[in-house]
Amino acid sequence: DVKVTQSSRYLVKRTGEKVFLECVQDMDHENMFWYRQDPGLGLRLIYFSYDVKMKEKGDIPEGYSVSREKKERFSLILESASTNQTSMYLCASSPGMVETQYFGPGTRLLVL
Amino acid sequence: DQQVKQNSPSLSVQEGRISILNCDYTNSMFDYFLWYKKYPAEGPTFLISISSIKDKNEDGRFTVFLNKSAKHLSLHIVPSQPGDSAVYFCAARQASGTYKYIFGTGTRLKVLA
Repeated sequence: DVKVTQSSRYLVKRTGEKVFLECVQDMDHENMFWYRQDPGLGLRLIYFSYDVKMKEKGDIPEGYSVSREKKERFSLILESASTNQTSMYLCASSPGMVETQYFGPGTRLLVL
Repeated sequence: DQQVKQNSPSLSVQEGRISILNCDYTNSMFDYFLWYKKYPAEGPTFLISISSIKDKNEDGRFTVFLNKSAKHLSLHIVPSQPGDSAVYFCAARQASGTYKYIFGTGTRLKVLA
């Protein structure tokens, strides 16, 4: 079974803090993704990566950056957290771009 | 601009009856469509998919229909069970350059026992 884990289920941070969200997959997948899920907006793609050290912007990259130093790990970084980044963050991985994605359980982030 | 739309935020169905979840899209470049199911406090899990060259795909109680001319797809669940109660997302693959998926806003299905 594919396992995608996220470092925290719940996080509370202050405005202006730097926030790291970690995601690890154990199936040697090439591709990894970060989404955020908001009521009425569905899942929106923030960034994705198709190889180590490679990244591409998704639909809403502003205010975020990512890091992929190892194949199994994909980190999402909020450089300076703001209240409008309060959301559910979902990480996913897939063996190829044309394959279905496997999601982690999500991290619910609250920025005060 | 929402390229993939699920216009019904919620749906209630009696156990044993058919559930029909709908999804509309605007981009004719989408070549592959998927449905995901999401329970509270869990990530979405893949349910069923369909290629744009087909108009129907079936997997047990789940059937997805695609009407390309109307840019519309639907997920049928027959018979509906209480365990099907979840949020359902449709997603479309954009086949240009690097592939990426566009998700709809989700429909919350409640199956009443």
